[in-house]
Amino acid sequence: DADVTQTPRNRITKTGKRIMLECSQTKGHDRMYWYRQDPGLGLRLIYYSFDVKDINKGEISDGYSVSRQAQAKFSLSLESAIPNQTALYFCATSDEAGRGQETQYFGPGTRLLVL
Amino acid sequence: AQSVTQLGSHVSVSEGALVLLRCNYSSSVPPYLFWYVQYPNQGLQLLLKYTSAATLVKGINGFEAEFKKSETSFHLTKPSAHMSDAAEYFCAVNPSGTYKYIFGTGTRLKVLA
Repeated sequence: DADVTQTPRNRITKTGKRIMLECSQTKGHDRMYWYRQDPGLGLRLIYYSFDVKDINKGEISDGYSVSRQAQAKFSLSLESAIPNQTALYFCATSDEAGRGQETQYFGPGTRLLVL
Repeated sequence: AQSVTQLGSHVSVSEGALVLLRCNYSSSVPPYLFWYVQYPNQGLQLLLKYTSAATLVKGINGFEAEFKKSETSFHLTKPSAHMSDAAEYFCAVNPSGTYKYIFGTGTRLKVLA
């Protein structure tokens, strides 16, 4: 079984709808991240969490919110989806090899289309 | 601001030829550097990382990268390309241990038979 899972894998929604993307991990890591990937732009950090009580905004958090329900679960919500949020979304976790040296472990991604 | 630049959004090589994917970083101090690979319809996975222990870093699947401080580069190479190497490759930097990665825009590698 995969260490980092994301649901759903694909989602089509309409402008203005609220949707939630879910991420679960079995690696036992405290640190979790949400990224979005757009063609030609690489990955950009939306939110990150170092433990259940520590949640931080990334470089593009506007229009998004997150919830860390447990060490293993980190959800991303789009409160009112808009077409330019159409992207591939990745959840990731990281180990604690040392400050800055952590390897990140990615889920398979959720492809979101906002009409 | 710290950044990482990948030259060439698409690279094509023949099977058996040398693979060279370029990455340059901007940082006032040597950062931690990473190469990740993304196969179609999958998440990213770590190929290798530089953490100052050695300037030549060997990774999985025959890839290696050399950290060159004077050139602020961390290019990825593989002596002989295989069809299975076709994927998108991302260089990433973690500037001075901030716990946050900065990813490059990616290079899509195509391997020609």
